[in-house]
Amino acid sequence: QKEVEQDPGPLSVPEGAIVSLNCTYSNSAFQYFMWYRQYSRKGPELLMYTYSSGNKEDGRFTAQVDKSSKYISLFIRDSQPSDSATYLCAFDRGSTLGRLYFGRGTQLTVWP
Amino acid sequence: KAGVTQTPRYLIKTRGQQVTLSCSPISGHRSVSWYQQTPGQGLQFLFEYFSETQRNKGNFPGRFSGRQFSNSRSEMNVSTLELGDSALYLCASSLDPGKETQYFGPGTRLLVL
Repeated sequence: QKEVEQDPGPLSVPEGAIVSLNCTYSNSAFQYFMWYRQYSRKGPELLMYTYSSGNKEDGRFTAQVDKSSKYISLFIRDSQPSDSATYLCAFDRGSTLGRLYFGRGTQLTVWP
Repeated sequence: KAGVTQTPRYLIKTRGQQVTLSCSPISGHRSVSWYQQTPGQGLQFLFEYFSETQRNKGNFPGRFSGRQFSNSRSEMNVSTLELGDSALYLCASSLDPGKETQYFGPGTRLLVL
C-alpha cells in the first residue's frame, strides 16, 4: 500500500463550481498536512498548512483533516479559471529530517 | 523577501555527462531539500541538508549527490547522466524543518538526450 494516495484526475469544472480534492494516507506518523498548487512548468506553491484534525479556512480555500480516517481534503469555493493547476497533497512526519511525502497530484481545469 | 531561486532554469545534456544545479534558499532558511519530479513518479525526495550536513537521503543511486555551503546555498550534482534523469529538479527551503513547512523554487528542467 502506498503511503499517500491521490486521484490524478483530470478534473474539469465550470467557473463558480465548488471543487473537492482528496488524499488518503496510511502512515500514522504524519503530523503536518499541506496542500500545494503547481502551475504548469512552475514550482509548487504552498496553499494550506495544518497540523490538527478539523477545518482550516483561507479565503476561498478550506483544508479538512480527518486523522482517524487518514483522509484530507481541499475545497475550493467559487472556482476561477486561474485555479486551473495541479494540486498536490503533502505530509510531514514532524521529524527534523526535512522530507515531505507527496501525492501524485490532481490536475484541475476550471473553464469559463 | 525573495523566494527560493534555482539556476539554471533549463539544461540540455547528453548521456554520460554530469550536471550541477544550484539553489539559493529564502534568506534565513537553513534547511534545503531537493526533489525530482517526473510525470511517471511524481515528486520524489532526493536529500536534505541542514547546516552543511546531509541529514536524510532518498532512494536514489550514488550518482546523485549534493552539498550545502556555509551561507545555506546548496548544489546538487548528477554524474554519468542517463535518459531517465530527465526531470524537473526542485529545491525547497525551510526555516526549521519539522516545525515549519517548505517553500519551493521554480525548479531546473533537465533534459538528457
